[in-house]
Amino acid sequence: NAGVTQTPKFQVLKTGQSMTLQCAQDMNHEYMSWYRQDPGMGLRLIHYSVGAGITDQGEVPNGYNVSRSTTEDFPLRLLSAAPSQTSVYFCASRQGLQFTYEQYFGPGTRLTVT
Amino acid sequence: ILNVEQSPQSLHVQEGDSTNFTCSFPSSNFYALHWYRWETAKSPEALFVMTLNGDEKKKGRISATLNTKEGYSYLYIKGSQPEDSATYLCAFWKGNTDKLIFGTGTRLQVFP
Repeated sequence: NAGVTQTPKFQVLKTGQSMTLQCAQDMNHEYMSWYRQDPGMGLRLIHYSVGAGITDQGEVPNGYNVSRSTTEDFPLRLLSAAPSQTSVYFCASRQGLQFTYEQYFGPGTRLTVT
Repeated sequence: ILNVEQSPQSLHVQEGDSTNFTCSFPSSNFYALHWYRWETAKSPEALFVMTLNGDEKKKGRISATLNTKEGYSYLYIKGSQPEDSATYLCAFWKGNTDKLIFGTGTRLQVFP
C-alpha cells in the first residue's frame, strides 16, 4: 500500500492563479480531509468528506473547493490564489467515520503564493 | 477550556532524561483523543487513540494516560533518545461533529 499520496510536493503560484492539489489513498478509507498548517497554529481543517459524493466544510473553507467522485481521490482546488493561502497542506484519511480510528496523513504540499 | 491546549510549547532535554507533556481539552461531550508524532519535513504519524477515562496506552518507551472528567492527557517518554526529537500533537474529537481539533503541539528536542 502506498498509503496517502499527495502531489505536488512544492508549488509556487502567483496571486490570482488557480490550481488543484491532488490527494489519493489506496486503503479504501471512507473519510478524507484536508488541513493546512501555519506557524504557531494547529492543523486547521479546510474540507472533509465522509464518502464518495459527500463533502462538507471545516474551519477554514473560504477560497477552496473540493469534490469526491471516487473513494480514492480527494482533490483540493484553489480558485484564485492569495498570499494568505501560503501554507503547508496535508491530506488525511481514516478507515471509518468514527474518530476512534487512526488518521493517516500524506506527506504534504508546500504552497507559496506570491 | 474551549480548545485544545498543549504545554509546554517546547522542551529541551538530555539523552536519557524522561519527560512528559500535557494536552488539555474540553471535558464535556468527549469522544476521543489522538496523539501524533510529527518529525520535521515529514507528516504526522498516529501514536495513540484514546477513548475511555483512565485509559493508559504504551508503545515502546512512549506512554499516555487519559482523564476525561478533568479534560487532560499526559504523554510520557522514558529515557529520551535523539530520535524522539519531534513535535507531539494531540487532537480532540468532540461528539456530534466530524472534526478533530488539533493543539499546536509540544516541540521536543533531545540532545546527545
